[in-house]
Amino acid sequence: NAGVTQTPKFQVLKTGQSMTLQCAQDMNHNSMYWYRQDPGMGLRLIYYSASEGTTDKGEVPNGYNVSRLNKREFSLRLESAAPSQTSVYFCASREGNQPQHFGDGTRLSIL
Amino acid sequence: LAKTTQPISMDSYEGQEVNITCSHNNIATNDYITWYQQFPSQGPRFIIQGYKTKVTNEVASLFIPADRKSSTLSLPRVSLSDTAVYYCLVGERRLTGGGNKLTFGTGTQLKVEL
Repeated sequence: NAGVTQTPKFQVLKTGQSMTLQCAQDMNHNSMYWYRQDPGMGLRLIYYSASEGTTDKGEVPNGYNVSRLNKREFSLRLESAAPSQTSVYFCASREGNQPQHFGDGTRLSIL
Repeated sequence: LAKTTQPISMDSYEGQEVNITCSHNNIATNDYITWYQQFPSQGPRFIIQGYKTKVTNEVASLFIPADRKSSTLSLPRVSLSDTAVYYCLVGERRLTGGGNKLTFGTGTQLKVEL
């Protein structure tokens, strides 16, 4: 019963490097989300996908791109990583009017 | 999106009832109130959701007054394992497709001691 799976769990990058964070859900949910959480703060929405084939910006989309590869997978890409993007990234999914289900996060450090 | 305000932290002892109140003065007619729990190094986990009056499930109760400008999460007989951050969220619960955007505040750090 995997739910929402995020890979990798940890990553260290150098400034300017690129990286893709992967997220997959096995609950057949239509909607998927990417959040970032900085120390001592709540989660902020980066991008979301209401359904396969659609994506929309959230609160803090600058510096990120997303791809809804299929119904199961929603990836987040950093084209040119910056130290300000050091954070914990959470992926979530939901269906209809049900609450969101979250993965356990990817801890990303950018030096 | 409605802004929420919660206490930054609360302390309690095992076996006590804990009530965490959240203010959401500009809640909209279509908005639901949802509470999540987050342990260190984990993603948030859904606790309870409601629209008005009282909702109860196996882990918590949610009290919402008639004006819906605040809500109170009630945790009966807390234990050490309830130590976590609790988030109150307000947002529209779409019936189809999803895509509603929820705003997480800074949450309430609950610390339960022996």
